[in-house]
Amino acid sequence: NAGVTQTPKFQVLKTGQSMTLQCAQDMNHNSMYWYRQDPGMGLRLIYYSASEGTTDKGEVPNGYNVSRLNKREFSLRLESAAPSQTSVYFCAGGLAGPYEQYFGPGTRLTVT
Amino acid sequence: AQSVTQLDSQVPVFEEAPVELRCNYSSSVSVYLFWYVQYPNQGLQLLLKYLSGSTLVESINGFEAEFNKSQTSFHLRKPSVHISDTAEYFCAVSEAAGGFKTIFGAGTRLFVKA
Repeated sequence: NAGVTQTPKFQVLKTGQSMTLQCAQDMNHNSMYWYRQDPGMGLRLIYYSASEGTTDKGEVPNGYNVSRLNKREFSLRLESAAPSQTSVYFCAGGLAGPYEQYFGPGTRLTVT
Repeated sequence: AQSVTQLDSQVPVFEEAPVELRCNYSSSVSVYLFWYVQYPNQGLQLLLKYLSGSTLVESINGFEAEFNKSQTSFHLRKPSVHISDTAEYFCAVSEAAGGFKTIFGAGTRLFVKA
């Protein structure tokens, strides 16, 4: 039981490049989330998926897109990376509703 | 709209001393409250949660937090810290009535010194 897994662990991009961050969970959670973590700002919600087939914007969605591929997988895409997207990205899963979440190990992304 | 304020960005403390990490929240509706811990280069892990019932909740490793509705606070305490408690701690709040958004505080870095 791996919980929530994320790939890659590290990535360096040049401005304008695109990439997809992958997330998978084996905890049978209905809800999945993407956050970014920046120093002194805690975690900010980018997008979430309340259930398979649905996605919604969070607090900071600009510059990102998501796909809920199936119940297990929720990917985050940067179409044209910018230095402001340098951050640590966390995927999380949880029961439907306002309950606790279970986090992956994170992806550290640097955009130069 | 909800918000969470963690009043200390860093808390240095000596081993075996008590510690309190402060958290205040703002919300116009009933809330669920959480403390998460993040060890270096890892994701967040749930430490403890308040959903309903007893206002004092405890974790398996000796931390406790008390929900104080009148003061809109959910402070985290431990009577005697260990070196291994060095980590960043995040307070979080979500609306109890539903919804899927959890708001996180900016985090408090606890540094336990020998």
